[in-house]
Amino acid sequence: EAGVAQSPRYKIIEKRQSVAFWCNPISGHATLYWYQQILGQGPKLLIQFQNNGVVDDSQLPKDRFSAERLKGVDSTLKIQPAKLEDSAVYLCASGRGGAAGETQYFGPGTRLLVL
Amino acid sequence: DQQVKQNSPSLSVQEGRISILNCDYTNSMFDYFLWYKKYPAEGPTFLISISSIKDKNEDGRFTVFLNKSAKHLSLHIVPSQPGDSAVYFCAAIKGNTPLVFGKGTRLSVIA
Repeated sequence: EAGVAQSPRYKIIEKRQSVAFWCNPISGHATLYWYQQILGQGPKLLIQFQNNGVVDDSQLPKDRFSAERLKGVDSTLKIQPAKLEDSAVYLCASGRGGAAGETQYFGPGTRLLVL
Repeated sequence: DQQVKQNSPSLSVQEGRISILNCDYTNSMFDYFLWYKKYPAEGPTFLISISSIKDKNEDGRFTVFLNKSAKHLSLHIVPSQPGDSAVYFCAAIKGNTPLVFGKGTRLSVIA
């Protein structure tokens, strides 16, 4: 079974530029999560999808971040415009169905550096 | 306000000995607790979990203990192996709300 795929693995941009990350979850997984992990911190959920619907986006800074999961499979996360404090690793995870305590399978992450 | 706290940023243990990683939480409504392991340049991988109705769960060399009265859980690895060197994250969940992660503890197992 292939794992969660993310691209790019690394991205360096200047502040005020835009950037987009892509995630392909494990085949058949209904739930998809985007996390932000700042250096020295644990991952923090940005948005959770169940199929192509948003379950929780309460911690997504909607003035600059957006995410979509068209057709309930792949997902993209966009930052526009980027700020210095957005430098972090962006992790995508997927799960089978969103049940409480379900195992989430993480991708390798995209490391973003904003200069 | 951090709901899940891992107060030790790092831990060093000799190979073959026991590693004990600790985690405290503040929200008594959490109903599942999970441990994730993370190697550099990789995403976290699920290690072991425990329901709030249990006090112990064991899987091979890994055992998680839950003390609800103290709002404390710990992960025991015995015997520790060099391949266990990684960052370990404690996480907690309540119903269908998002996982809440601690800041992680970096474990170094010295051969």
